[in-house]
Parts: sequence; structure tokens; C-alpha cells
Amino acid sequence: GNSVTQMEGPVTLSEEAFLTINCTYTATGYPSLFWYVQYPGEGLQLLLKATKADDKGSNKGFEATYRKETTSFHLEKGSVQVSDSAVYFCALILYNNNDMRFGAGTRLTVKP
Amino acid sequence: DVKVTQSSRYLVKRTGEKVFLECVQDMDHENMFWYRQDPGLGLRLIYFSYDVKMKEKGDIPEGYSVSREKKERFSLILESASTNQTSMYLCASSLRGYYGYTFGSGTRLTVV
Repeated sequence: GNSVTQMEGPVTLSEEAFLTINCTYTATGYPSLFWYVQYPGEGLQLLLKATKADDKGSNKGFEATYRKETTSFHLEKGSVQVSDSAVYFCALILYNNNDMRFGAGTRLTVKP
Repeated sequence: DVKVTQSSRYLVKRTGEKVFLECVQDMDHENMFWYRQDPGLGLRLIYFSYDVKMKEKGDIPEGYSVSREKKERFSLILESASTNQTSMYLCASSLRGYYGYTFGSGTRLTVV
């Protein structure tokens, strides 16, 4: 089946530290890949996405590259801020499919 | 921007009550979804709908039903609320899955 595995949290970093949250996937076809962010008490917001191999999604200083050879889509940010504290979800969906699969989420806390 | 609106942010209901959670989207999306989110379990799909009056069971439909009488509105119904249905409920919509989903802000339901 189709599934996403992301690194367990929680992750605690100091402000301006480098962030990596690992995400790997298993898919029966050729998926589109996503990162969503959930701030406290809110729903999920789409952070970035990539639809084909070697695509790089980016938004708000976050980046992730679709690596077909390693079936990965790791989220990175060069310098985190306190305002980045949230839960991050990796997700995939197959083309012409309505069943998006989410990872378990990784909680990030950034301390001043 | 697409907006998905969930009618209540917080609800407290008694065991055995019939509970309606309402979700409205304003961008003519065909697909709508209901998830529940619980600590350690991530997002689990309850039901989804790809057209008016159409519905499909997700991973955990037991104890729930849905209604989609109009394209913009997708209702989740707890026929007889139980304490194990205390959770955060998230509604989402999409035009095409590979574009990504747009989520509402969530309804935190407590059943006492």
C-alpha cells in the first residue's frame, strides 16, 4: 500500500539552528508529495509540494526535494525561528486518486 | 484563497447525543473529507465524498455517517456520541488531490 514514514519527535531546536525532518514513502505508483504544517489549535496548512522526481518545493524558507531513488522528501530550513514551532506532516497522493496518506507528524519546538 | 469553514471550534456533548459537525467550502471543490486527529495516531480518514450525494468510507467509519446534499457542504454525523469519539475533527476539500488539500481550522469535540 501507500504510506509515509516521518521521523518521530519531538524535535527541540534553538533559534537560528538548521532543521531537517526526515520523510520517506512507499507508493504503488508515482506520487505527489507534500508537507503540511499545523500551528497550535489550528487545522493543517499546505507548506510546500512537489509533483515529480527532482522537483524542489519551497515556501517561507522551508525546502524539500523529491528524491525518487531514495523515496524521500526531507524537509529543511536553514535558520528556524520561534514562530516555526508547530507540528509538521509529510503526505503523499497518487495521481487521480483521492486518498492522501499522512505521516504521523513531527512536533517542532524552537526556543529563543 | 479557498476557504474551508467548520461551524464550531469547540463542542461539548453528552454520551448518546446525536452530533452534527458542519463543513462548508467556497471554491466549488468536488472532493471533501473528514478526518479525526488523535495524539500518537496522526490523521485518520473517516469518510470522503467526491460528488453531491456520493460518499465513500475511509479507514474508521464505524459510529459515523455523512451527508452531502449540496456541493459546498459536507456534514459529519455521530449517531450516538460516545466518549471514545472525543477528538479533533478536521474537514478538508480539494479540486484534484495532487493539488493538495485545504483544511478547516478543526472542531475539538469532547463527549462527556
